[in-house]
Amino acid sequence: GQNIDQPTEMTATEGAIVQINCTYQTSGFNGLFWYQQHAGEAPTFLSYNVLDGLEEKGRFSSFLSRSKGYSYLLLKELQMKDSASYLCAPWDSNYQLIWGAGTKLIIKP
Amino acid sequence: DTAVSQTPKYLVTQMGNDKSIKCEQNLGHDTMYWYKQDSKKFLKIMFSYNNKELIINETVPNRFSPKSPDKAHLNLHINSLELGDSAVYFCASSHGDNPGNTIYFGEGSWLTVV
Repeated sequence: GQNIDQPTEMTATEGAIVQINCTYQTSGFNGLFWYQQHAGEAPTFLSYNVLDGLEEKGRFSSFLSRSKGYSYLLLKELQMKDSASYLCAPWDSNYQLIWGAGTKLIIKP
Repeated sequence: DTAVSQTPKYLVTQMGNDKSIKCEQNLGHDTMYWYKQDSKKFLKIMFSYNNKELIINETVPNRFSPKSPDKAHLNLHINSLELGDSAVYFCASSHGDNPGNTIYFGEGSWLTVV
């Protein structure tokens, strides 16, 4: 079956760095999305990884290892506004996007 | 300018009623979706339309029917509402349905069935 595994909740301190891990099992693989969802709002796109390695975009970076079925989202210089849920979503071989339940990130002053 | 807009944002209705949620996108995308996000926060795709043709239809009850009058609109009609239909429904769109095409979500419609 298809499965996404992310921690349910994480807590970090303003100004610090946090890494949100995602492991996945899918029927084939065609890349992986990370989305951010603030409470009561729509998910918004953060990154797309299709090749192994690190993609950096400002304070946010996303890493992918296809052989390990593993990705992480790295958030640097955390700000209070980064408090949100972070959704990992790989594409399978049928071009289906499989969404995880997300990791709720709580930022404390 | 709102890229993907859906109405109503909040809807409280009684069991057995029929309701519709409207969605419009002004991004010029040719693929639109309806997602359901339940209390456990899982996003489950319900339908997608590409150039007015249904291309994904997950195992949702046939009480749910998508209607697309043109490629900028994808409305969701729900018949005989049940308590378990209470959830947040997100409309979304993308330029094509290939992996990697960013999916843009509307603000969501909070449906509560009482």
